[in-house]
Amino acid sequence: GNSVTQMEGPVTLSEEAFLTINCTYTATGYPSLFWYVQYPGEGLQLLLKATKADDKGSNKGFEATYRKETTSFHLEKGSVQVSDSAVYFCARYNFNKFYFGSGTKLNVKP
Amino acid sequence: EAGVTQSPTHLIKTRGQQVTLRCSPISGHTSVYWYQQALGLGLQFLLWYDEGEERNRGNFPPRFSGRQFPNYSSELNVNALELEDSALYLCASSLPGVAPGELFFGEGSRLTVL
Repeated sequence: GNSVTQMEGPVTLSEEAFLTINCTYTATGYPSLFWYVQYPGEGLQLLLKATKADDKGSNKGFEATYRKETTSFHLEKGSVQVSDSAVYFCARYNFNKFYFGSGTKLNVKP
Repeated sequence: EAGVTQSPTHLIKTRGQQVTLRCSPISGHTSVYWYQQALGLGLQFLLWYDEGEERNRGNFPPRFSGRQFPNYSSELNVNALELEDSALYLCASSLPGVAPGELFFGEGSRLTVL
């Protein structure tokens, strides 16, 4: 089937730690891949995206590379800040539909 | 420029009642998506409207329905409410076209069914 699977949270890190949030997908065809972020009390907003294999999306120090061979789109950041505390959603788009993962809550402690 | 707006922000209903949620997309956006965000279950796709037509539907029973108006605003209706309908209902809009664009989300309507 078509789905998006991301690691369960919550993930708790200290400030300046390295972050990885895993995301894998199953899909027919060649989906576009996205990471959305939901800060406390706010709606979801696009963080980054990649539309074809080997593309790297990046924004606000976050990066994710579209890996077709492993069907993955892992989110990484070299040094997290307290302000990065939020829920992160991996998503894919194809055949006119967005599918979202279940979300991973990130808590960054000072 | 105003973002996606949803109303009401919070509401409480009892089992068996009906509810209508409203969404106004960003100006110029013709596509509206509805998602259910239940605790621990992530975002579940409900409905997609574009140019006034229902284009796609998620795996939800028929008591979940909606419509899109000529000004591209949208309503989500849920009939015969059940306890498990308690969730945050998110509306998102996007620009028209086939290419995968960005979804712009509202802050949601939190529904509690008692």
